[in-house]
Amino acid sequence: GAGVSQSPSNKVTEKGKDVELRCDPISGHTALYWYRQSLGQGLEFLIYFQGNSAPDKSGLPSDRFSAERTGGSVSTLTIQRTQQEDSAVYLCASSLVGTGSETQYFGPGTRLLVL
Amino acid sequence: RKEVEQDPGPFNVPEGATVAFNCTYSNSASQSFFWYRQDCRKEPKLLMSVYSSGNEDGRFTAQLNRASQYISLLIRDSKLSDSATYLCVVNQVAGTYKYIFGTGTRLKVLA
Repeated sequence: GAGVSQSPSNKVTEKGKDVELRCDPISGHTALYWYRQSLGQGLEFLIYFQGNSAPDKSGLPSDRFSAERTGGSVSTLTIQRTQQEDSAVYLCASSLVGTGSETQYFGPGTRLLVL
Repeated sequence: RKEVEQDPGPFNVPEGATVAFNCTYSNSASQSFFWYRQDCRKEPKLLMSVYSSGNEDGRFTAQLNRASQYISLLIRDSKLSDSATYLCVVNQVAGTYKYIFGTGTRLKVLA
């Protein structure tokens, strides 16, 4: 079946511009995660959506970062006034919680380069 | 102290060798533990969950030591295809599904 998809796969932008990154989770998955991975580094948790609960935004690095999940499915991560340090791979994952399986399925990521 | 710590490596081992990685975690209330594998420039994929009694999947064995707050991954009879970064993942807060990833341990299996 279809996995997690993300778009765009690559994004080059200029410092100060806003960007939107999209994630389409696996159909029926109730949990959706955003992570950031800088070159040679581990995954940094950004935000987590679970069902209709309020999202856990504790990992967002600044108020320039925000995310929405519409209709319990597609999610958009928005970075306003991008900075060079925002350059990284942004990974989305989804999982089906409450079934005893907590496996996170990752999308291929969006590689963001801020010039 | 980091929430999840791993030796970054790299671990360079010959084919057929046995190699083990450890991962320590700081939150004693953590309940779920996993090993993920990440190939270069690819997304992470689940390798195996880690159960309290320890578990095995083919050449891979995972163990949990709650008293010392670490989990381990043992790979027997290493293959060239095992070359990757192995990420330790811990449920940060019991009762939620928020996970913290370690920075990973890089393994290179040499011919």
